[in-house]
Amino acid sequence: ELKVEQNPLFLSMQEGKNYTIYCNYSTTSDRLYWYRQDPGKSLESLFVLLSNGAVKQEGRLMASLDTKARLSTLHITAAVHDLSATYFCAVDLLYSGAGSYQLTFGKGTKLSVIP
Amino acid sequence: SQTIHQWPATLVQPVGSPLSLECTVEGTSNPNLYWYRQAAGRGLQLLFYSVGIGQISSEVPQNLSASRPQDRQFILSSKKLLLSDSGFYLCAWSHGRGTTQYFGPGTRLTVL
Repeated sequence: ELKVEQNPLFLSMQEGKNYTIYCNYSTTSDRLYWYRQDPGKSLESLFVLLSNGAVKQEGRLMASLDTKARLSTLHITAAVHDLSATYFCAVDLLYSGAGSYQLTFGKGTKLSVIP
Repeated sequence: SQTIHQWPATLVQPVGSPLSLECTVEGTSNPNLYWYRQAAGRGLQLLFYSVGIGQISSEVPQNLSASRPQDRQFILSSKKLLLSDSGFYLCAWSHGRGTTQYFGPGTRLTVL
């Protein structure tokens, strides 16, 4: 059974600071997704990481994937209040390299950026 | 561009009543479709997925069922709701296996 663990689950940080959210998973996979969820809203796709060493950046967010360590990170640079949301990582359990139908989600990291 | 719709947006139902939630996708054909449930303050749990009309796979035993009567329509149903069915129900679509899943706006269900 694939297990996905995020930490921290709650993060309160001041504007302008940097921080990293970690996503560890238990089974071999080289396909990982990051999503953002605003309170009461749906999930918005942020990044898809498809290979070892993959790095994607969008604005103040940068995601990376280390498949050997089974670890993905979401780094926040110079946080602003608009980044306050819950961030989920989701791992695709691969079958023969083709991907599966099931994404296993972490429990999410609730980020609060304080002015 | 593709869009995904869900309705209703919110629903309050008594225990033992039936349920029908609908999801439709526009702007693509033969999508993979998914139903997820998110309990309060928790992650997402995949309930059902479908790769084509009439093809439904269930991930978790429960009193819910799903149907796909048309290519871009996915319905979640129950004959008798339980208190534990309360949650935020999200429909998603993807182009195929192992591709990004895109989520609808969700339905918030409260069972009293």
